[in-house]
Amino acid sequence: EPEVTQTPSHQVTQMGQEVILRCVPISNHLYFYWYRQILGQKVEFLVSFYNNEISEKSEIFDDQFSVERPDGSNFTLKIRSTKLEDSAMYFCASSVGGNTIYFGEGSWLTVV
Amino acid sequence: AQSVTQPDIHITVSEGASLELRCNYSYGATPYLFWYVQSPGQGLQLLLKYFSGDTLVQGIKGFEAEFKRSQSSFNLRKPSVHWSDAAEYFCAVGLDNAGNNRKLIWGLGTSLAVNP
Repeated sequence: EPEVTQTPSHQVTQMGQEVILRCVPISNHLYFYWYRQILGQKVEFLVSFYNNEISEKSEIFDDQFSVERPDGSNFTLKIRSTKLEDSAMYFCASSVGGNTIYFGEGSWLTVV
Repeated sequence: AQSVTQPDIHITVSEGASLELRCNYSYGATPYLFWYVQSPGQGLQLLLKYFSGDTLVQGIKGFEAEFKRSQSSFNLRKPSVHWSDAAEYFCAVGLDNAGNNRKLIWGLGTSLAVNP
């Protein structure tokens, strides 16, 4: 069964460093998403991406965040200068038409 | 504002017992409703979804959920729980916005423990 894959599974980074989280969405999907879950809190929507541009973003997704689809298969989330409060599980997801969203296993980001 | 409430943070059941996990939502329009499960060290796996039609939906692993518009609920049920069902269960509402993509609003999750 096709699945969304994410790398790395866990990353520890120093505050102020740039981080890139990578995702390979399901191959025939057209919509791509990033969500995050801070420990003990709800899963939160960050951004959705369609047709090579951001279609919606949350207020969390400020100028420190960016997304890119550099080729036909990868979808990346970049955090330009990490803060302690960016420590979370980041989930990549994809969907065909936006009806059913399939998630990856997540990337744990720990900022120290 | 749209929201999802899962009133039970933690539930413990015995193996073989029945299970019901509660989910209530607040949303002005017809909701798109989902249940996801997250096993330890795993990602978010879709259990089932409701878009329209029959209000009782069947999912994977023997789970089902019933949409009750009058109660704004979408409770998840399983008649006989297995030890492997121990996991975190999330209810989510999909928001229909322009362009067909849907942003999911999540509940806090219910942690299920299963006693042998």
